[in-house]
Amino acid sequence: SQQGEEDPQALSIQEGENATMNCSYKTSINNLQWYRQNSGRGLVHLILIRSNEREKHSGRLRVTLDTSKKSSSLLITASRAADTASYFCATASNDYKLSFGAGTTVTVRA
Amino acid sequence: ETGVTQTPRHLVMGMTNKKSLKCEQHLGHNAMYWYKQSAKKPLELMFVYSLEERVENNSVPSRFSPECPNSSHLFLHLHTLQPEDSALYLCASSQFVQGVGEQFFGPGTRLTVL
Repeated sequence: SQQGEEDPQALSIQEGENATMNCSYKTSINNLQWYRQNSGRGLVHLILIRSNEREKHSGRLRVTLDTSKKSSSLLITASRAADTASYFCATASNDYKLSFGAGTTVTVRA
Repeated sequence: ETGVTQTPRHLVMGMTNKKSLKCEQHLGHNAMYWYKQSAKKPLELMFVYSLEERVENNSVPSRFSPECPNSSHLFLHLHTLQPEDSALYLCASSQFVQGVGEQFFGPGTRLTVL
C-alpha cells in the first residue's frame, strides 16, 4: 500500500532556481529515502534520513524530516537541466518493504 | 548500472507466451526485490527475497512466478499475461540490517503484452 505521498505532482522551474517538494506519510518509520528517476530508467538513491535525524545534506540536496508531522521535504538548490526527472520519497519500517509515493515530476527550463 | 543488471531491457510478448526476466546484482547484498511501475501509479512491490528465501509476496497473481537460485540472481517467470501487465519491471537489491536501507535499482525491463 502507498505510504508516502509527494506534493506537488509536477514542478517547472528555471535553471538556477531552487526546487522544493514535500512528502507526507501515515505510519511510523525507521527511515525515509528520496530517489530520482530519469524517464523510463531505474531509480537512483539520493539520500536516506533516519527517524532520529531532522536534516541531512548531500551536495545540492537538503532533506528535512519532521516525524511529529509525518512529513519530509527535499530541496534542490541551484537547479540544472540535468535535474529534470521524477523524484520519489519512500518510507521504510522494520520489515522488508519500502513504500513509494507517486512522485513529483520536475522540469528545469534552460 | 553495473551494480544491478536486468535483461532483457525490452520485451514484447503475446498473452500465451512464456518468458523470463533476469536480474543480477554484483553488490553482495542480502535482499532482492521485484517492483512493477505502471504509468501514473506508484511503484508496486511484488516480491522480496532475503537470503534466497521469499519473505514478501504482495498479492501478486500466479501468472508471475519469482525464482531466486542464489543471492546474486533473481528471475521473474511470466506466463499467460494480460495486456494490463504491460509496465516497467524493476529489480532492486539492498543490504537489510534492522530495516530497509538504500536500494540499488536495475535499469528495468519494459514489458509490452499484446
